[in-house]
This record gives sequence, C-alpha cells and structure tokens, in this order.
Amino acid sequence: QKEVEQDPGPLSVPEGAIVSLNCTYSNSAFQYFMWYRQYSRKGPELLMYTYSSGNKEDGRFTAQVDKSSKYISLFIRDSQPSDSATYLCAVVQGAQKLVFGQGTRLTINP
Amino acid sequence: GAVVSQHPSWVICKSGTSVKIECRSLDFQATTMFWYRQFPKQSLMLMATSNEGSKATYEQGVEKDKFLINHASLTLSTLTVTSAHPEDSSFYICSAPAQGADTQYFGPGTRLTVL
Repeated sequence: QKEVEQDPGPLSVPEGAIVSLNCTYSNSAFQYFMWYRQYSRKGPELLMYTYSSGNKEDGRFTAQVDKSSKYISLFIRDSQPSDSATYLCAVVQGAQKLVFGQGTRLTINP
Repeated sequence: GAVVSQHPSWVICKSGTSVKIECRSLDFQATTMFWYRQFPKQSLMLMATSNEGSKATYEQGVEKDKFLINHASLTLSTLTVTSAHPEDSSFYICSAPAQGADTQYFGPGTRLTVL
C-alpha cells in the first residue's frame, strides 16, 4: 500500500465549476499536509499547508483534513482555465521529507 | 515566499558524460535540501537529502556513486549525474525548507535529456 494515494485523473470540468481533489494516507502519524500545484515542465508551487483537522481557506481554495479517516481534500471554487495543472498532495514524513501522491491532472474548459 | 533557483533549466548531453545541476536558495539559508526526480506524468520521487557540511542521505534504490550530491554552502547544493545514460533522462527538482517553516519551496526544475 502506498503511503499516499491520489487519483491521477485526468479530471476535466467546465469553467466556474467546483473542483474536488482528494487523497488518502496510510500512516496516522503524519501531521502536516500540503497541496502543491504544478504546471507542465515547472517546479511545484505550494498552494495550501495545514496540520490540523478541519478546513483552511485561502481565496478560492479550501484545504480539508479529516485525520480520523486519513483523508485530505482540496476544493477549488469558481474554477478558471488558469487553474489547469497537476495538483499534488503531500505529507511530511519526518525530518522534513515529503511524500507525494501521484498527482491529479486537472483541465478547466472555457 | 522563499525562492529556490536551479541551473541549468534544460540540458542535453551525450551518453557517458557527466552533468552537474545546481540548486540555490536565493533569499534564505538551507542546511538541508532535497533532490527529486520526476518522470513524465508521474509524481515526484525523493532521491536524496542533501546536508550542508556532511554526506547526503540517499533513498533506497538510488545509486550514490551515480548521483553525487555536494552541499558546500548554506545556499547551494549540486547534483552530478555521472556517466549519464538515456534512462537517466528525467526532470530533476530540488527543494529547500525555509527556516522555521514546515513547508518546502521548490526550484523550477532541470530537464535532462541524455542522447
């Protein structure tokens, strides 16, 4: 079993839709959770970072963590074509090492 | 946010040659940096942890004699791919945690193509 599981997609939605991206993780000891956005042939860009259960909002983005079910989500409201990218969830394994999910390729259609 | 740069952004080399990739933290110091490899349409796989002033720590299955890492200063880590072969062609990305933060900032990546 992979430490972090993420549906690779691809996921295609119309502009303005609400997007839901999800990951599950296997180790309840993981404490820190992140979402990165990666455009083609670019390095990942940190979007959201959280360490507690519940919701964290930043503009059109909301990160949600449910530690009881080991489930993390990223919601994008009012999606825009510029949101088209690969979204990677990640957990901090220890000594600041990140373990990534497979990444979900998202396309927002105008 | 913190800025991490990489050089070169793209390199093409002949099989059997060595290639050096630089990773720099531009506005903060990093005692630790991480090197990842990413194949097309796949996620990032951690290769090694670069430690300033000491030996790098390699992940299981990564050949330390092939991927030489040097972290000579608090703002620079280098990855040298020795005797490169076509199967080493990939996107190499470094990251560094900002001081006092649990998050990491990534460089823009280096695309290596070995002919």
